[in-house]
Amino acid sequence: DVKVTQSSRYLVKRTGEKVFLECVQDMDHENMFWYRQDPGLGLRLIYFSYDVKMKEKGDIPEGYSVSREKKERFSLILESASTNQTSMYLCASSSQGAESSYNEQFFGPGTRLTVL
Amino acid sequence: AQSVTQLGSHVSVSEGALVLLRCNYSSSVPPYLFWYVQYPNQGLQLLLKYTTGATLVKGINGFEAEFKKSETSFHLTKPSAHMSDAAEYFCAVETGAGSYQLTFGKGTKLSVIP
Repeated sequence: DVKVTQSSRYLVKRTGEKVFLECVQDMDHENMFWYRQDPGLGLRLIYFSYDVKMKEKGDIPEGYSVSREKKERFSLILESASTNQTSMYLCASSSQGAESSYNEQFFGPGTRLTVL
Repeated sequence: AQSVTQLGSHVSVSEGALVLLRCNYSSSVPPYLFWYVQYPNQGLQLLLKYTTGATLVKGINGFEAEFKKSETSFHLTKPSAHMSDAAEYFCAVETGAGSYQLTFGKGTKLSVIP
């Protein structure tokens, strides 16, 4: 069974802390994505990666960075957490391979981050 | 750039009634289209997708969607709502031809009234 896992389901941090959110997929997917989800705003893309050690900015990259040292792992970093980064964070992955995937993304369970 | 509009942020139906969730996209070229479902405190799960071929697509849990190019729509339906269908539903479209990214709608929260 394909799987995307995220390191924490719930996380509480203080303003100014450095926060790491980890995502691991076991499907050998090339593409990985980080989204944040807020009520009424849907999913907004923060960063994505098409390959190891490469990254591309999404729609809302400010205040975030990412790291992809291994194919299966994609980390989201909040350099200095702020209260407006309180949100649900979703990781996803997809294949560049067989055409039948047609960009289908597989999602992890999400991390609900609260910044106090 | 693609955009996706989901009409209605909240939809309520009675148990056993028809479910209709609306999705319109902006594109002159037929894109790949997806419907995802999110149950409380969970990630998104694929319900169904349209790629090429038959315009009526069947998905899991009795849901189906019809791609209508002339209306740039991909509405999601289910003939008879069940309590377990209560969730948030997201329509998504590939962001650009050859792009691996998806653009998501803002979501529609479905409530099922007993």
